Amino acid sequence: GAVVSQHPSRVICKSGTSVKIECRSLDFQATTMFWYRQFPKQSLMLMATSNEGSKATYEQGVEKDKFLINHASLTLSTLTVTSAHPEDSSFYICSARDRLSGNTIYFGEGSWLTVV
Amino acid sequence: AQSVSQHNHHVILSEAASLELGCNYSYGGTVNLFWYVQYPGQHLQLLLKYFSGDPLVKGIKGFEAEFIKSKFSFNLRKPSVQWSDTAEYFCAAGTYKYIFGTGTRLKVLA
Repeated sequence: GAVVSQHPSRVICKSGTSVKIECRSLDFQATTMFWYRQFPKQSLMLMATSNEGSKATYEQGVEKDKFLINHASLTLSTLTVTSAHPEDSSFYICSARDRLSGNTIYFGEGSWLTVV
Repeated sequence: AQSVSQHNHHVILSEAASLELGCNYSYGGTVNLFWYVQYPGQHLQLLLKYFSGDPLVKGIKGFEAEFIKSKFSFNLRKPSVQWSDTAEYFCAAGTYKYIFGTGTRLKVLA
């Protein structure tokens, strides 16, 4: 299947700093990418949908100024957690839609963010 | 509102037992349906998907799922589970964006 790569896989940052997570589709073009957050032992919560070249659409309750999403190319989307707080510590997962395989969604490996 | 419900949160089975995990969705119009699996320490992997056509979908590793439109269901089945099927299973539904169920933790006893 198609490959989606996320980087970094683990990151620790200090409160008040910002951290960027990258999501790349390695062997297909993804006009749409999705960012999820997964709390321990819970399901995935959709944070936002990003379309290449346009602004992301955020789900209700997700602060767009805190979770900045950029989808500048067909293979790269970034999530920047700004002014991170300990409660932002979580597992963040991106996924990308492969139009050529019938709109199947493929997931990245996820990124563990710990804010100390 | 769009939603996906997985009623079995924890399932424990012995090897060779049959498996059925429930998934119900609430979604207006045409919907795409997926089952994903997350093995311990690994990322989500696609088990199978349904877009249209034959409502009985065959996936990887011997899994299958049946789309029953009248019941808004997409239950996952496997005739005989193995210890290696121990994982968390997520049902997802949507068209443009995808909503996930809360997941079912399956533990298969050797």
